Order: sequence, then structure tokens, then C-alpha cells
Amino acid sequence: ILNVEQSPQSLHVQEGDSTNFTCSFPSSNFYALHWYRWETAKSPEALFVMTLNGDEKKKGRISATLNTKEGYSYLYIKGSQPEDSATYLCAPEYGQNFVFGPGTRLSVLP
Amino acid sequence: ETGVTQTPRHLVMGMTNKKSLKCEQHLGHNAMYWYKQSAKKPLELMFVYNFKEQTENNSVPSRFSPECPNSSHLFLHLHTLQPEDSALYLCASSQDQGAIYGYTFGSGTRLTVV
Repeated sequence: ILNVEQSPQSLHVQEGDSTNFTCSFPSSNFYALHWYRWETAKSPEALFVMTLNGDEKKKGRISATLNTKEGYSYLYIKGSQPEDSATYLCAPEYGQNFVFGPGTRLSVLP
Repeated sequence: ETGVTQTPRHLVMGMTNKKSLKCEQHLGHNAMYWYKQSAKKPLELMFVYNFKEQTENNSVPSRFSPECPNSSHLFLHLHTLQPEDSALYLCASSQDQGAIYGYTFGSGTRLTVV
């Protein structure tokens, strides 16, 4: 069983704060790393997919980095807004399927 | 709407009931998936279908029976479930099996077994 960890488990920040969280995963046989954003009562929404060591992706105020050698990825949110409140899931890919992490639940307080 | 539709959104069933969950996509995707999320646990893969053929069964008990009549529809037939099967059941699809394409998820069915 592959162990994917995300920290912190939950996070409360004030509107305007920047924040980041971590995904750590086994690096052997790694193929790609996916980040998803999951708002309550909605569908998980794909944010990024990264494959190469050192990859960086950016989408608006959200960015992510990948270190495949040590098995971790960071997700950064700059100037958090209440609409960023969601659970952020990372999912490393091995073979043809994902292994999802437990998620980081972010609450942005106005 | 993501393009992946799940029905019903909520379901309450007794342990002796038989019910089915439905998932539908018209994205032209060839792979479809069932995931389960129990309270305080990560998403767990249950079944994978690629071009209508089951390619993965993640040691799921036989009281869960998937069906994929075509690439656009996926069902999960439920019978004699246990209270611990109460969970959120998510369907997803992708262009082909091979997650590099990314998944499109439905909104899920919240199942309660009483």
C-alpha cells in the first residue's frame, strides 16, 4: 500500500494571506503528480499535473512545484480569497492509476 | 457541471435493499472509474473500466457489482450492504486509462446504509 501524506490536515488563514501545503509520496516508480481542488458539495477539479523533477505550474494565484527525487510537492496560494476555501488533494500516479492523499482542508476567513 | 453526471445525489437504503448508482458522461472518454470516500479516509479506487472492459477491481466485496454497458455509462449495483458501506461514491472518467490525462469527476452519491 502506497502512503501519500499531506500536511497540514487543515488550515485557517485570513483573506489576503499567502499559504502553502505539502504532499509527500513514495518516489520509486513515480510517473506524475496531480493536484485537485474539491469544494464542498461539488466535484473535485483538476488544478495541475506535473511529471518532471523541478516542474513548476501556475494558475492565477495558485502555483505548485515538484521534487520527484525526494518525493514531495508544494502547493502555494498567494493572497488567499474566501473562494479558495476547499480541500486540496494531491494524487501521485504510479502505473495507470492515482493514489490520493487525504487532503488539506483550507478555510479562508474574510 | 463537469460533464460527468451522477444520480442520485443522495441515497438511503436498508441492508436488505437493492439499489443502483448511475454515472453518465458525454465527453467522449473511454475510461470510467468508481471511487469511494469514507469518513476521514482518502479517496479509494474501487473499479476501472476501459473501453467497456473492467481492467481493475481493487478487492471490492461482491456486494458491490459494477456494470459498464457502453463507454458513456457506468453503474454500481448495490445489494445487502452494511452500515460501514455508508460513504460518498464518486464516478470519474478520463480520455483513456492512464491518469496523465487527468480525471473529470462527478459530484458523487452520498450513500447511507441503515
